[in-house]
Amino acid sequence: GAGVSQSPRYKVAKRGQDVALRCDPISGHVSLFWYQQALGQGPEFLTYFQNEAQLDKSGLPSDRFFAERPEGSVSTLKIQRTQQEDSAVYLCASSHLDPLADEQFFGPGTRLTVL
Amino acid sequence: EDQVTQSPEALRLQEGESSSLNCSYTVSGLRGLFWYRQDPGKGPEFLFTLYSAGEEKEKERLKATLTKKESFLHITAPKPEDSATYLCAALWTSGSRLTFGEGTQLTVNP
Repeated sequence: GAGVSQSPRYKVAKRGQDVALRCDPISGHVSLFWYQQALGQGPEFLTYFQNEAQLDKSGLPSDRFFAERPEGSVSTLKIQRTQQEDSAVYLCASSHLDPLADEQFFGPGTRLTVL
Repeated sequence: EDQVTQSPEALRLQEGESSSLNCSYTVSGLRGLFWYRQDPGKGPEFLFTLYSAGEEKEKERLKATLTKKESFLHITAPKPEDSATYLCAALWTSGSRLTFGEGTQLTVNP
């Protein structure tokens, strides 16, 4: 496909479970971003990769959140011991090279509900 | 703290009724101001990037402008298919993250 894909599209977890969210960026895109979007709010930055290097993880809300991109393409956002406040849509975006000049292409998001 | 504020939170227009959405931002160190459109259940879709005061960009019925302290998204003669949430986001020299506003939910009635 031509766009950013994310899976699963929907995830329901019981409080305390671990979850893993996957992002497939556009082929050849160097930069990859994760955002968290609560209902009725704008997306909030979580973390940024350039190839396999995680250059900025200052937006991760706690040490329960972990992201990786080991081969510089697919990325996984992992949330350990999920809490109800983790319920949100998790968006992934990629851009060709320079996040300052290039538009970020967003995936459809994964809606996480923690019961 | 770098901030982006959008107004109004929601806007209802009749088809053909032009209006503007506002985005104000922390002025110091702005590198770029971005506008996105988001439909329900979808990720944001890129519309425009503006880099300097006085810059304008147009796409169909939309025109984005940038001043030294705020940006406007003008919608001329809107149609029902323009109904969506419009997000603005800022990028500062201090980092690589986009900071989004909370969005303006636009509804255009036929």
